[in-house]
This record gives sequence, C-alpha cells and structure tokens, in this order.
Amino acid sequence: QKEVEQDPGPLSVPEGAIVSLNCTYSNSAFQYFMWYRQYSRKGPELLMYTYSSGNKEDGRFTAQVDKSSKYISLFIRDSQPSDSATYLCAMRVEGNKLVFGAGTILRVKS
Amino acid sequence: GAGVSQSPSNKVTEKGKDVELRCDPISGHTALYWYRQSLGQGLEFLIYFQGNSAPDKSGLPSDRFSAERTGGSVSTLTIQRTQQEDSAVYLCASSSALLAGNNEQFFGPGTRLTVL
Repeated sequence: QKEVEQDPGPLSVPEGAIVSLNCTYSNSAFQYFMWYRQYSRKGPELLMYTYSSGNKEDGRFTAQVDKSSKYISLFIRDSQPSDSATYLCAMRVEGNKLVFGAGTILRVKS
Repeated sequence: GAGVSQSPSNKVTEKGKDVELRCDPISGHTALYWYRQSLGQGLEFLIYFQGNSAPDKSGLPSDRFSAERTGGSVSTLTIQRTQQEDSAVYLCASSSALLAGNNEQFFGPGTRLTVL
C-alpha cells in the first residue's frame, strides 16, 4: 500500500462546477499538507499549504485536512478551463521529505 | 531572477548508453531535490542535497543512478547503462531552507527522457 493514495482520474467537469479532489494517507505523523498544480509539460507549482488539521481558503480554492480520518481535500469553486491540469497532493513529517500522491488529472470543459 | 532551469528539455537515447541531466537551481537556494515522474505516477523522490551536508540518496533506484552538486549550485544527475524503464520525466526542485515547515520547493520544467 502506498503512503499516499490519490485517484488519478481523469475528472471531467463543466465550467462553473465545484471540483473536489482528495487524498488519503497512512502515516499519522504527517504534519504539513500541500497541493501542487502541474500543467502539461511544466513542473509542479505550489497551490495551497496547510499545517495540521483545518481549512484554508485562497480565492476559489479551499484546502481541508482531517487528520483523524487521514484525509485531505482540495475544493475548486467556479471552475475554469484554465484550471485544467494535474493536481498533486503532497505531505511531510517535520524535517523529512515530501511524499506525493499520483496526481489527479482535471479537465474543465467550456 | 530566473526560476529553476533544466537541460536538456528532451533526451532520446539508446538502451545501454549513459545520460547526464543538468539542473540550475534558483540562486541562493541551499536545498536541491531530484524527482522522477513516470506516466500516471506521482513524483518519486530520488536524491536531496542540503548545503555541504552529505546528500540523502535513499531514493535512488539502483547504483546506475548518481548525482553531484558542484559548488553548492548546479547539479547533474547521471544514469549509466540506461534501461527502457528509466524513461520518465526527471524533475529538479530547489528551496531556500531545510525540510522545515512550508519551505516551498520550486520546480524546473523537467527533462523528458526516452530510452529506446
């Protein structure tokens, strides 16, 4: 079993839809949780960062962490075609390396 | 003020040949990471350099893989006797601090390696 599980998709939604992306993990020691966005043939870029449990909102994006369930989510409101990309969750223990999920391919249709 | 750069952007090689992939991190970043991304897979950690400390090589898949970082800046990832399963995108990232808190890793565009 992988340390971080993420459904690879692809997830296809119409423009304006609310998108929910999720990851589960097995290591209860993870403290830092991130979401990266990767456009085709580009490197990943940090989108959201959360420490421990809770919610964080940034514009149309909301990141949620539920440590009791070992489950993290990224919500995208009013999705746009420009949001079409691969979304990678990543997490780490303090002082340790990032562990990435496999990435979910998102396609927003106009 | 450029970001992380990698070269070449694409590399096609024959099975059994050696290849060298280059990474130029953001100026002043002390930490440098190499990852491998295969089709439909997440990022697989390969190696990590931090300042003058001994690198963390725990992710290198075999002794055919090695990496150097000269002068605390440019890094080269070398794959000897390439195999078809080495075909992937090799990503380099750099960050300004040790693995602590939200030290954002900035990624390069990657080198797409194809082994025929």
